[in-house]
Amino acid sequence: DAMVIQNPRYQVTQFGKPVTLSCSQTLNHNVMYWYQQKSSQAPKLLFHYYDKDFNNEADTPDNFQSRRPNTSFCFLDIRSPGLGDAAMYLCATSRIPTGGSTDTQYFGPGTRLTVL
Amino acid sequence: RKEVEQDPGPFNVPEGATVAFNCTYSNSASQSFFWYRQDCRKEPKLLMSVYSSGNEDGRFTAQLNRASQYISLLIRDSKLSDSATYLCVVKGKGGSYIPTFGRGTSLIVHP
Repeated sequence: DAMVIQNPRYQVTQFGKPVTLSCSQTLNHNVMYWYQQKSSQAPKLLFHYYDKDFNNEADTPDNFQSRRPNTSFCFLDIRSPGLGDAAMYLCATSRIPTGGSTDTQYFGPGTRLTVL
Repeated sequence: RKEVEQDPGPFNVPEGATVAFNCTYSNSASQSFFWYRQDCRKEPKLLMSVYSSGNEDGRFTAQLNRASQYISLLIRDSKLSDSATYLCVVKGKGGSYIPTFGRGTSLIVHP
């Protein structure tokens, strides 16, 4: 009954080797978010999609890109991972109903990225 | 001043104790407030929303104080399984749906 699914759960990559993390949802939510979370820190929003509209946070490095080919799937591409990119990457979804009021977020289990 | 501030703790309490956390937020235009629970190396999960009138769910009580711009979480009769990090989340700054997370407060309940 998983609602937000992330693959893989653990990813090991080498310094500079591109990596793609995936997220899928069965909730039909219109907003999908990608967060980076390091130990003992708050989740840091990298970007989000509101429907097809991509919204990048100002301080998200260019090294991070995202794609949302359809409502259900969203990908995080790290073009050239550095040691500082080792973290937990969390995907979340929410439904923003007409009128702009907010709804709660549902998180996937995360992908833990290790950079060697 | 950070947008959402929490004491990182850890709060070390014995089983059965009552413990309270506060979270302050900087923007008075914030509209929605939540507490999430995050276990070690797991994703955040919604614990409860925080309503203006306050709300209670079993051993957990959440309160909102708009005048002083803080929310609180009270846990009564702490269980070992309550050990986790509790994240404060604030939404609605300037009408935005984007949530802002606090760094979390770590709770350790010991026998």
